Amino acid sequence: DTEVTQTPKHLVMGMTNKKSLKCEQHMGHRAMYWYKQKAKKPPELMFVYSYEKLSINESVPSRFSPECPNSSLLNLHLHALQPEDSALYLCASSRGGDGRVDEQFFGPGTRLTVL
Amino acid sequence: GEDVEQSLFLSVREGDSSVINCTYTDSSSTYLYWYKQEPGAGLQLLTYIFSNMDMKQDQRLTVLLNKKDKHLSLRIADTQTGDSAIYFCAETSGTYKYIFGTGTRLKVLA
Repeated sequence: DTEVTQTPKHLVMGMTNKKSLKCEQHMGHRAMYWYKQKAKKPPELMFVYSYEKLSINESVPSRFSPECPNSSLLNLHLHALQPEDSALYLCASSRGGDGRVDEQFFGPGTRLTVL
Repeated sequence: GEDVEQSLFLSVREGDSSVINCTYTDSSSTYLYWYKQEPGAGLQLLTYIFSNMDMKQDQRLTVLLNKKDKHLSLRIADTQTGDSAIYFCAETSGTYKYIFGTGTRLKVLA
C-alpha cells in the first residue's frame, strides 16, 4: 500500500462547529505532516509529527489541534475556525529522518470551507 | 525570507518539450524535488535530485541542477495533455521542512 488517504474529501462547517480531518498511511512511515494550501499558492507547513511526537508547529493558531494516535494515523481537530481558514488541507508522510532522501508522499487533501 | 521562485505560467504544444525553471534559496539544500499537482488533488512526487548531482534522467523527465546559480530545471519530453498541471519545486536542507516554490502552471495545447 503506497498511498496516503484523507477523509473527508470535502467539509463545510460554521464558525462555531467542531470537526476533525483524518489522515492514514500504511507505508510504515514515521513522519506525518499537515499542510494548508490556498488557491494558486504552494503548500504551507503547519505541523510535523515524528515517531508520534509533535516535532514542528509552525506557529499555527490554537483553533487547529493536531493529534497522532498511532504511527499510521494523523488527525487535525478544528474548532472556532474563521472564513480565512478555508483552504485545501493536505496530509503527507515520509519515512522519517535518517540522513537519506526523505520523500514526502501526499494525500488527495480535504477541501474545507468555513462559512 | 526569500521565495523559491518559479515562472507562473508555461504553455506548450502537445509533443513539444517543456522546461520548467526554479531558483532556490538555500545553498546548503541537500535534496531538491519536483512535484505535480492536478486540479483539486494532492501533490504527486515526480522526481528528486541530490545536491551533488548535475543531472538526473527518469523516462520523459530530465532534471538539471546548477548549484552555483541555485537553479533547478525540469524538462518534460514529448509533453502530453495529461501533463497539464501545476508543478512545484521544493528544497530541503534537512529532514521534514520543505520549502516549496511558487508553482508553475503548465498548459499543454492539443
